[in-house]
Amino acid sequence: RKEVEQDPGPFNVPEGATVAFNCTYSNSASQSFFWYRQDCRKEPKLLMSVYSSGNEDGRFTAQLNRASQYISLLIRDSKLSDSATYLCAVNPPNAGNMLTFGGGTRLMVKP
Amino acid sequence: DAGVIQSPRHEVTEMGQEVTLRCKPISGHNSLFWYRQTMMRGLELLIYFNNNVPIDDSGMPEDRFSAKMPNASFSTLKIQPSEPRDSAVYFCASSLRTEAFFGQGTRLTVV
Repeated sequence: RKEVEQDPGPFNVPEGATVAFNCTYSNSASQSFFWYRQDCRKEPKLLMSVYSSGNEDGRFTAQLNRASQYISLLIRDSKLSDSATYLCAVNPPNAGNMLTFGGGTRLMVKP
Repeated sequence: DAGVIQSPRHEVTEMGQEVTLRCKPISGHNSLFWYRQTMMRGLELLIYFNNNVPIDDSGMPEDRFSAKMPNASFSTLKIQPSEPRDSAVYFCASSLRTEAFFGQGTRLTVV
């Protein structure tokens, strides 16, 4: 089993739709969790951290479910500009600042 | 803040040649990471430095790969000799805690 797994997609959604991605992780003692966004032929960019209590940034909501060992990203009112690959990242225990990344979920928002 | 700076942005080389990739991390960050990204394998961690010391190099594919961090503001990843299967995008990232920030990457093509 991979340490961090994501559905590769693509998720094809119309503009204005709500879409959610999940990311599962294998080590229950993992410490920190993040979502990154990566545009085609660009570097991954930090989108948001994921806190135990959940957190929201505008149209984006991230949540952590420790019992089931997954994190989620919800995007409301999708924009064409949200089209990208979304990578989740997990900080395993005893790994210092190291992050393990999932394979990414590709989102395509259509007009 | 200039962000993580990588050079070169693109490199095309012949099989058997030595390739050196360079990275300048964000000033004040104490962790530096080299990642490799391919369509098949996603984003893989090659090596992780903390305070200029290699902490985890288990991701380095083989002896042809080596990385150094002579000081807090510079790191290199060297491939000698290069092979076509080394073709990928190589990212350098740095962090102060667990949130990593990526450079724009070096797109390496070995022909």
